[in-house]
Amino acid sequence: DIVMTQSPDSLAVSLGERATINCKSSQSVLYSSNNKNYLAWYQQKPGQPPKLLIYWASTRESGVPDRFSASGSGTDFTLTISSLQAEDVAVYYCQQYYSPLCTFGQGTKLEIK
Amino acid sequence: QVQLQESGPGLVKPSETLSLTCTVSGGSISSYYWSWIRQPAGKGLEWIGRIYTSGNTNYNPSLKSRATMSVDTSKNQFSLKLSSVTAADTAVYYCARAYSGSLSWFDPWGQGTLVTVSS
Repeated sequence: DIVMTQSPDSLAVSLGERATINCKSSQSVLYSSNNKNYLAWYQQKPGQPPKLLIYWASTRESGVPDRFSASGSGTDFTLTISSLQAEDVAVYYCQQYYSPLCTFGQGTKLEIK
Repeated sequence: QVQLQESGPGLVKPSETLSLTCTVSGGSISSYYWSWIRQPAGKGLEWIGRIYTSGNTNYNPSLKSRATMSVDTSKNQFSLKLSSVTAADTAVYYCARAYSGSLSWFDPWGQGTLVTVSS
């Protein structure tokens, strides 16, 4: 299995400040044949299903605010919220889909400081 | 747009079989991979398995062959059966579509259904 490890487990950021969440995979999720990283990011608010934010490691889903951005390649990835808004309070998950056995990170809980 | 809705008993007795159905509306179930994903209360997400509309399946080995998925294209539904359940199978169960191919992110997701395993 590809193990996805997120850091930190929880994060408190002031409104308007930058929030950064990291995700590390136990093996590369970069497919050499197409040079794509098979990595997605989701946002989950209480009582709701996860919402897709990012796919191919850095492609923002339609309708996702541009304060959300993501980067990384191979085994190390980052989700950044450039200016935290109150509605961004949630748990964030990364997911690899490189392997047929897809796996998720353990989640990072983002709160307001 | 495509919407997914899970249905099934919210309470299952230990050692029995959990059965859930996901109904797809707003689009065809054909030519996509469909997955079940679960989330115990306060915990992370665990992928259970996927099914293609041809009936081909893949499962998470962690479930030790207890999971079985099926698809009914005439009803635009797919289903999950999980046998020999224990308290550890108590979770919110989500159905979701793989956006493109078997190696894909998930979008959309159903709202989820809570299944509690208890006598």
